[in-house]
Parts: sequence; structure tokens; C-alpha cells
Amino acid sequence: SQQGEEDPQALSIQEGENATMNCSYKTSINNLQWYRQNSGRGLVHLILIRSNEREKHSGRLRVTLDTSKKSSSLLITASRAADTASYFCATDKGSNYKLTFGKGTLLTVNP
Amino acid sequence: EAGVTQFPSHSVIEKGQTVTLRCDPISGHDNLYWYRRVMGKEIKFLLHFVKESKQDESGMPNNRFLAERTGGTYSTLKVQPAELEDSGVYFCASRLTEAGSGNTIYFGEGSWLTVV
Repeated sequence: SQQGEEDPQALSIQEGENATMNCSYKTSINNLQWYRQNSGRGLVHLILIRSNEREKHSGRLRVTLDTSKKSSSLLITASRAADTASYFCATDKGSNYKLTFGKGTLLTVNP
Repeated sequence: EAGVTQFPSHSVIEKGQTVTLRCDPISGHDNLYWYRRVMGKEIKFLLHFVKESKQDESGMPNNRFLAERTGGTYSTLKVQPAELEDSGVYFCASRLTEAGSGNTIYFGEGSWLTVV
């Protein structure tokens, strides 16, 4: 089964708009993390939310977690062209924190 | 503080050749992970070290892949012999085992491998 599936697969918005990406998973988790990958670059950690948390904020980022629906959302407010990247959610459920990734959402912010 | 560093950043080799990728985790991090993303697919776990010991190598695709972490510091991932389907980006990540650390896993820039 596919763990950590993001939707939409691609999202194109204008600068200043908000971007919302969703992630669904199938099994119980300990933590869910969001990462960003700029084209040709590495994975940058954005935010971690624990299974007993429902919402976290970091700057222009807001993450929610609904364990009953096994889903999470990442909201980027007041988007900028520099936010253009692929965004991945990743879950872990074991003591070794092995991550399971989704296929990602490609976000394009047009200036 | 330096992040996770990987070398080489890009490598192009011929089918049948050998490539060795290196990862230096964040200093002091006892956990080290290898992941890879092949074209069009999701990022997949390869293996996990705690210090010099392999904790989980369930994601290693086959015996052409060999990972080591002698001394519990840097790690190498060797592909021998390389096949076309090995092309992709290989990510290394590290994490510190510490109460209250938040379990954040930090990734490197990746080693982009092309097998021709």
C-alpha cells in the first residue's frame, strides 16, 4: 500500500495566493514531516508534527494533522516565487524513524 | 554547524562500472539513513545505521549495493556493478537520538547518479 500520498500532484498559483497541499497515509504513525525539494537540490526539512498534535505553525507554514482521517495538510500563506518546489510528506511509525514518502506535490508560484 | 554532506554531487558512469557514494552526517548524529529516488518514483528507504551497526537494510534492492559505516561516522554506498535502473538521486540523512530532540531527520543535497 502507498503511504504518504500527496494531492494535488501539481499546483500552479500566483504570487501572494495561498497554497494548500494534502497528504494521506494508511497506517498509524508516530510523526509526520514535510520536506521541500527545489529542482536539482536536496530535501529541506520544513516542519514536524507529532501524532498527538493537531496543528503547528512555522512562519508562513501551517500544518494540520487529522489522525482519524489519516491525513495532513500543508498551507503556505502569501506565496512567493521562491516557494516554487516539490513538497513531500513523510511518515514514520517505528522506533528507527524510518520515513515513508509520498510522490510529492509540484508547486509553481508564478510572479 | 555543517549539515549532511554528500559526495559526489553528480556522477555519470557506464553500465557495469562501480560507483561509491559518500555521506558525512551532521557531527554527533548516531543515526544515518540512505534513501533514493529513481525517475518518476517516490523516495524510498534503503537502509539505516545506528553508529556503525546496520539496524535495518530492508530497502536495499539487491546484492549489488553495499553500505558501510566504519567507525560510526561517515558512510559509503557502493554500487557494483551499476545497472541502468540504478540511475536516480541517492539521499543521505541523519538524526540524533536524544530525548526531546523532536526526531527531525536532516537530509543532504543528494548524489545524482546517471548510469549510461
